[in-house]
Amino acid sequence: DTEVTQTPKHLVMGMTNKKSLKCEQHMGHRAMYWYKQKAKKPPELMFVYSYEKLSINESVPSRFSPECPNSSLLNLHLHALQPEDSALYLCASSQVTAGVRYNEQFFGPGTRLTVL
Amino acid sequence: KQEVTQIPAALSVPEGENLVLNCSFTDSAIYNLQWFRQDPGKGLTSLLLIQSSQREQTSGRLNASLDKSSGRSTLYIAASQPGDSATYLCAVSPLTGANSKLTFGKGITLSVRP
Repeated sequence: DTEVTQTPKHLVMGMTNKKSLKCEQHMGHRAMYWYKQKAKKPPELMFVYSYEKLSINESVPSRFSPECPNSSLLNLHLHALQPEDSALYLCASSQVTAGVRYNEQFFGPGTRLTVL
Repeated sequence: KQEVTQIPAALSVPEGENLVLNCSFTDSAIYNLQWFRQDPGKGLTSLLLIQSSQREQTSGRLNASLDKSSGRSTLYIAASQPGDSATYLCAVSPLTGANSKLTFGKGITLSVRP
């Protein structure tokens, strides 16, 4: 299984709502990532989890709250978002042990988020 | 600070043509380089990963090369097909510090005309 899944595919929320994005992988990868991608731009790294611990936070506003409940799951909790947060949110994973495919990142299909 | 450049931003070719997509980076201290494909509104698909110690990788009609000293990588697509139409991004990871922090180029949007 070389797949990263994300739910939901699309999400529309108001600025006062609380919602969550979910990501799952069963490749045994111990690093998981959240990226934000605006139209016609490359992905921007938001958070990195390594062995279920937050290792990188790219100065993301606190209205985005990541969570890694176990080695297969990654959540992104959303609260009080702004319209400019509308984007494609991508999850990725990679292995962290040395080897040929070390650090090769595999991406999910993304969640298209619209904030009204 | 690492910068990754992909030029041109868009490319249109007739079906069957062999083509080369270019990627350049400013800091040669990289751990590896990865080529991705992205269809509109979709996630990224990993095409090829080249470790810094390697010169090239091949997968089917795709061949990626890496010249670390000159800060360049190319993605060669043989016998292009309309299904190859997509945006192609290259990304590098740093040799030191957080290897997981990819720096992406802005991508090349390829259109293969039937």
